[in-house]
Amino acid sequence: EVQLVESGGGLVQPGGSLRLSCAASGFTFSTYWMSWVRQAPGKGLEWVANIKEDGSEKYYIDSVKGRFTISRDNAKNSLYLQMNSLRVEDTAVYYCARDKAVTIWDYWGQGTLVTVSS
Amino acid sequence: QSVLTQPPSASGTPGQRVTISCSGSRSNIGSNTVNWYQQLPGTAPKLLIYNNNQWPSGVPDRFSGSKSGTSASLAISGLQSEDEADYYCAAWDDSLNGRVFGTGTKVTVL
Repeated sequence: EVQLVESGGGLVQPGGSLRLSCAASGFTFSTYWMSWVRQAPGKGLEWVANIKEDGSEKYYIDSVKGRFTISRDNAKNSLYLQMNSLRVEDTAVYYCARDKAVTIWDYWGQGTLVTVSS
Repeated sequence: QSVLTQPPSASGTPGQRVTISCSGSRSNIGSNTVNWYQQLPGTAPKLLIYNNNQWPSGVPDRFSGSKSGTSASLAISGLQSEDEADYYCAAWDDSLNGRVFGTGTKVTVL
């Protein structure tokens, strides 16, 4: 059974940093692109970033470029999102998702809440 | 602001057919496939339809997708109480060179 379990969310002040983790199991992690998708409270879905199977390619939404870094450790079956210079508007539930293809995310984690507030 | 527009809400009684639209442009729906996600209250999104009209394993065929020109639709036949959820469309946008979601539609079973 495919499982994605996020962790690392919490309350942080504007300008602060946070590192999210996603532990994957039940599939060959190293053979899939992976994404982070977020959802602000009461709002819709927004794709944030994704990373190629071997970590050699990474893509980001414009609003997080230069502040967020996606990475992975295939030996640990883990995906990460390092978030720096956090803004109030980054407040959201962050989901880890497996990329079946472009805009096809076939498995999702339960999400982890990031709250940016003073 | 999303480039894919959905009606904020839709509703029906049990057993009815409900249709949700997703309106885009030539650079997204007009050029690429559309995928649909269901988000039950308090849970993560779930892939419902991919490549316009394909079902992932385990999704009942009461759900169906279609695309015509720059619009796509999700139909729910034989509406059930457990279908109460938010539904989102998604597609690649060639102009934005990025992934875009629809604004989302909340389906209520009366």
